[in-house]
Amino acid sequence: DAGVIQSPRHEVTEMGQEVTLRCKPISGHNSLFWYRQTMMRGLELLIYFNNNVPIDDSGMPEDRFSAKMPNASFSTLKIQPSEPRDSAVYFCASIGANTGELFFGEGSRLTVL
Amino acid sequence: RKEVEQDPGPFNVPEGATVAFNCTYSNSASQSFFWYRQDCRKEPKLLMSVYSSGNEDGRFTAQLNRASQYISLLIRDSKLSDSATYLCVGSNSGYALNFGKGTSLLVTP
Repeated sequence: DAGVIQSPRHEVTEMGQEVTLRCKPISGHNSLFWYRQTMMRGLELLIYFNNNVPIDDSGMPEDRFSAKMPNASFSTLKIQPSEPRDSAVYFCASIGANTGELFFGEGSRLTVL
Repeated sequence: RKEVEQDPGPFNVPEGATVAFNCTYSNSASQSFFWYRQDCRKEPKLLMSVYSSGNEDGRFTAQLNRASQYISLLIRDSKLSDSATYLCVGSNSGYALNFGKGTSLLVTP
């Protein structure tokens, strides 16, 4: 079975550019999470969706960040405009209704110059 | 302040040693707890869930102390392959999974 799929795996961009990260959760999982990981702050929950509806976006750092889940098999995290402090690994994860296990994608490593 | 706090380590132990990690949580409403393992430059993966009664999986034992609000992980007979970062996780709604920053373990020959 395919796991959580994220793209791109690596992105290097310049400050001010728009960045779009993509995620396909595991089929049948009804909750999807976006995390950001840095050495300084560890894993931070940015936003999560349940049945495609955003439930808690209190972790989204500022208005430059937005996330959407138009359907059960796709989500995007957008940063516009990007800044060097946004450099991090962004993980998408999904969870099924009947399990406690969170499955992570391999992450998108973002570098903003 | 993060809801889940861990000693970042690193813990350097020889092969065969027993090592224990503790993790404290601040939200008394937290209901579920887990330990995840993260290898260098990889994604976190579930190691084990933590139950109030304690649970064991081979060389790994996890304990939850609700009165003191801490979770522990004990690794016996440590192997070189146990070298990783161990993340403590608390959940207070079934969905809001709060990760600690992780404890780094290095097992040496």
